[in-house]
Amino acid sequence: NAGVTQTPKFRVLKTGQSMTLLCAQDMNHEYMYWYRQDPGMGLRLIHYSVGEGTTAKGEVPDGYNVSRLKKQNFLLGLESAAPSQTSVYFCASRVGVGDTEAFFGQGTRLTVV
Amino acid sequence: GQNIDQPTEMTATEGAIVQINCTYQTSGFNGLFWYQQHAGEAPTFLSYNVLDGLEEKGRFSSFLSRSKGYSYLLLKELQMKDSASYLCAVRDDSGAGSYQLTFGKGTKLSVIP
Repeated sequence: NAGVTQTPKFRVLKTGQSMTLLCAQDMNHEYMYWYRQDPGMGLRLIHYSVGEGTTAKGEVPDGYNVSRLKKQNFLLGLESAAPSQTSVYFCASRVGVGDTEAFFGQGTRLTVV
Repeated sequence: GQNIDQPTEMTATEGAIVQINCTYQTSGFNGLFWYQQHAGEAPTFLSYNVLDGLEEKGRFSSFLSRSKGYSYLLLKELQMKDSASYLCAVRDDSGAGSYQLTFGKGTKLSVIP
């Protein structure tokens, strides 16, 4: 039981390049989330999903797209990376309505130069 | 929307007790969480309050007053390994059944000998 796994763990991109971050959970959770964490800003919600095939915007969605084609996977895409997207990205998952805590992946440290 | 406030930094002495406060304003409160995050690591769940009162779990306790929009995390018998950031998070029913989890900016606790 691996929990929540994020790949890659580190990445350096050039401005304008694209990439996809993968989040995989093996706990059969319904809800999945993508956050970014920047110094002094805390964790900010980018996009989230309440089930397979559904996605919704969070607090800071601009410049990102997501997909949840399979229940266990939640993909975060950057179509044209910008230096402002340099951050640490965390994925989290929860069972669903009525549950308690969210479980986090180990994070992806992304640098856009 | 939500507004969550907590102190930016705190320092306490090994063996002492420290209280980290969190105030929040939210339209659809549905629970408050405390997470611990060591530098460079993912947040890990500490406690959950949905009803008023104190929840105790070993050296850690968390208190909630829904009428005041206030919570605190109490850490007893501080140890050096407690040096970390402590994140207050509020679960909000946005009306779409999403139960978003919104985080404060975190309180960096330094435990000194």
